[in-house]
Amino acid sequence: QLLEQSPQFLSIQEGENLTVYCNSSSVFSSLQWYRQEPGEGPVLLIALYKAGELTSNGRLTAQFGITRKDSFLNISASIPSDVGIYFCAGQAITGTASKLTFGTGTRLQV
Amino acid sequence: DAGVIQSPRHEVTEMGQEVTLRCKPISGHNSLFWYRQTMMRGLELLIYFNNNVPIDDSGMPEDRFSAKMPNASFSTLKIQPSEPRDSAVYFCASSSFSGANVLTFGAGSRLTVL
Repeated sequence: QLLEQSPQFLSIQEGENLTVYCNSSSVFSSLQWYRQEPGEGPVLLIALYKAGELTSNGRLTAQFGITRKDSFLNISASIPSDVGIYFCAGQAITGTASKLTFGTGTRLQV
Repeated sequence: DAGVIQSPRHEVTEMGQEVTLRCKPISGHNSLFWYRQTMMRGLELLIYFNNNVPIDDSGMPEDRFSAKMPNASFSTLKIQPSEPRDSAVYFCASSSFSGANVLTFGAGSRLTVL
């Protein structure tokens, strides 16, 4: 259940837009995006549950792929506090068990 | 809501010593997860519990690692004996399982094994 993210590193100017991609060969029941700031644990940004679902949270927009294997996260008008590591996480449900696997991460500098 | 509480925040120990990391999940959450984060391997799921019962421990690297959840408000991750390659940040997270696990993470325990 490997989740590959691209790019691995992103350095942008304040005010610019950016997009982070998440791809897998596995199918997930939900796809979540988290941000981790230095010295802290990841914090949920957006959760996607339906194939093709497009959801916004302020300047953040994310979509779950039709095949449930991929997603993207877009951040518009970036600001310095957007700095951190962005992770996608795919949830697989088997019976009563639910497992969340994290992607490789994208480190953002603004 | 105090969030997920982990202790200690930092631990420095010598190879061969026993290390115990502690976690208090959010009250009412019935799923608890232990993750390990390193630069090389990213965020790895070690083990998770539903209603205090271990469901999947396939991520536990070796028999040196063990985890317990004696009640709904407390869990431990123990490493015995510790080795330098165990140095990492260990995160505990909890969720209220309702078909969609959205995790709340603690601030992590940074372990350094000399």
